Amino acid sequence: EAQVTQNPRYLITVTGKKLTVTCSQNMNHEYMSWYRQDPGLGLRQIYYSMNVEVTDKGDVPEGYKVSRKEKRNFPLILESPSPNQTSLYFCASSLRPLGVQPQHFGDGTRLSIL
Amino acid sequence: TQLLEQSPQFLSIQEGENLTVYCNSSSVFSSLQWYRQEPGEGPVLLVTVVTGGEVKKLKRLTFQFGDARKDSSLHITAAQPGDTGLYLCAGAPTSNTGKLIFGQGTTLQVKP
Repeated sequence: EAQVTQNPRYLITVTGKKLTVTCSQNMNHEYMSWYRQDPGLGLRQIYYSMNVEVTDKGDVPEGYKVSRKEKRNFPLILESPSPNQTSLYFCASSLRPLGVQPQHFGDGTRLSIL
Repeated sequence: TQLLEQSPQFLSIQEGENLTVYCNSSSVFSSLQWYRQEPGEGPVLLVTVVTGGEVKKLKRLTFQFGDARKDSSLHITAAQPGDTGLYLCAGAPTSNTGKLIFGQGTTLQVKP
């Protein structure tokens, strides 16, 4: 089944403790992206990747890192999480970079930073 | 930063009523997408509009892209309880094919 898989789905952690949210897609998609969703703000793009070893900042990249060492995986790293990074995070992929390509979203990761 | 203003943010209507959701910007987009999101799940694409003035229909849902490609609307005819959910518009800026700008979302509740 074609899908985007995020792990973990839920995580409660403390300020400053490094964490990684994994994202994997099995559709051989070139493009991958991370978003955070907060009430009243919709989805905001954190980072995106046009292809392997190519990453760029979205609108809210501060406090996050990403890597794209292989096509299927696009992990989101929070080196020193803070409470303002408490949010619902989504990973998405599409066959090619955006425009008319549909994005396929994972089911989300709910992060709580205490 | 380009913005997409989506309105209304909340809508509660009775089954059978019609409704329209709007997405407006001062910037031009190369394309605009509409997604629907259910609780506990990621957004799912409903439609992509690309050409100014384009109209697409998906059963009782009608999507329109403004002539200047700065705005879009979603019209639902005879809403059903199954239409309940969060509707999101998302625009691809003309200057950057990697970015996607989302509106704030419209939470629709259709009561039986």
